[in-house]
Order: sequence, then structure tokens, then C-alpha cells
Amino acid sequence: DAGVIQSPRHEVTEMGQEVTLRCKPISGHNSLFWYRQTMMRGLELLIYFNNNVPIDDSGMPEDRFSAKMPNASFSTLKIQPSEPRDSAVYFCASSSSGREYEQYFGPGTRLTVT
Amino acid sequence: RKEVEQDPGPFNVPEGATVAFNCTYSNSASQSFFWYRQDCRKEPKLLMSVYSSGNEDGRFTAQLNRASQYISLLIRDSKLSDSATYLCARLAGYSTLTFGKGTMLLVSP
Repeated sequence: DAGVIQSPRHEVTEMGQEVTLRCKPISGHNSLFWYRQTMMRGLELLIYFNNNVPIDDSGMPEDRFSAKMPNASFSTLKIQPSEPRDSAVYFCASSSSGREYEQYFGPGTRLTVT
Repeated sequence: RKEVEQDPGPFNVPEGATVAFNCTYSNSASQSFFWYRQDCRKEPKLLMSVYSSGNEDGRFTAQLNRASQYISLLIRDSKLSDSATYLCARLAGYSTLTFGKGTMLLVSP
């Protein structure tokens, strides 16, 4: 079975550019999470969707970040404009209803903003 | 005080050793805790849940101490393959996890 799929795996971009990260959750999972991981701050939850609806976006750093989930099999995290401090590994994770603690993470997107 | 705190380590142990590390939490209302394992440059994976009565899975034992507000992970007979970063997580509400920064374990031959 395919796990959580993320693309791209690596992204290098210049400050000010728009970055779009993509995620395909595990089929049948109805909860989706976007995280950011850095050495300084660890693994931080950015936003949580349930049944394609954003439930908790309190972790989204600022208006430059936006996330969408147009259907059960696809989500995007967009940063516009990007800044060097956005450099991090961005993980997408999914889980099934009632087992939100058992999250399956994708391989992550390593973002570098120069 | 951060919600979930861990000693970053690294904990350096020889193969076969027993090692334990703790994770403290600040929200006394927290009910559910978990240990995740993250290999270098990989994604986190659920290792085990932590129950009040303790939870054992092979060489791994997880415990919850509510009075002192910490959870622990004990690894017996360490293997080289146990080298990883171990993240503790608290279930916030019913749906989201708050993670610690992780404790790095290095098992050497």
C-alpha cells in the first residue's frame, strides 16, 4: 500500500518566490496534518484538516502561509512570498478517524530559501 | 515552560545496554501520550502508546507518571538499529499532537 506521498522532496528557491508543497494522504484517512520541523523549534503543527475542512490553523505562522484541501486525496501548502526563515522540512501526515494519534508521515519536503 | 520537553541528548550507549529517557509535560490535564521514532533525515513513525499502567512491547517499555508529569521510554538490550531520535507526543484535545524536540540515541558496537 502507498503511504503518504509528498512532492517535491527537495525545493530550493529564492526569497520572494512562491512555493507550493503537495501531499496525497493515505486512501481512507480523513485527517490530514501539515508540520514544519527545524532544529530550533522541533516539529510544529501548522494546520489540521478533517474531512477536507480546516479545523485548526493556529499554527500557521502568518498570512504568507496558506493551505488547501480540495478533496480527500490532495492537499497543498503554499508560501508566498517565501523568506529564508521558512527553510525547514515540511511533513504531511494523515490518520484515520478516531486514531488521530497514529499519524502516518510522508517523507517530507526539504525547503531551502536563499 | 514548553508544553513537552525532552533532553536532546545524545545518549551514547554500547550495544546490549539498557537506556531510559524521560519527557516532561506541563499540562496536567493531558491524558494521552505517545512515543515516535525518527531516523536521521526520515519521517517520524509511531513507536508506541503510553498508558497509565505502562506499556511494554518487546524490548521497549513506556511509562506515565502523572504525579510528576513525565513519561519515560526504557529500551533494553540496545541494538545498533535503535539509533534514532525519539519524540514524545501529547494528544492535545482529541485530534492533534504536540511533539517534543526529541532525544537522540546513539548505540555503538
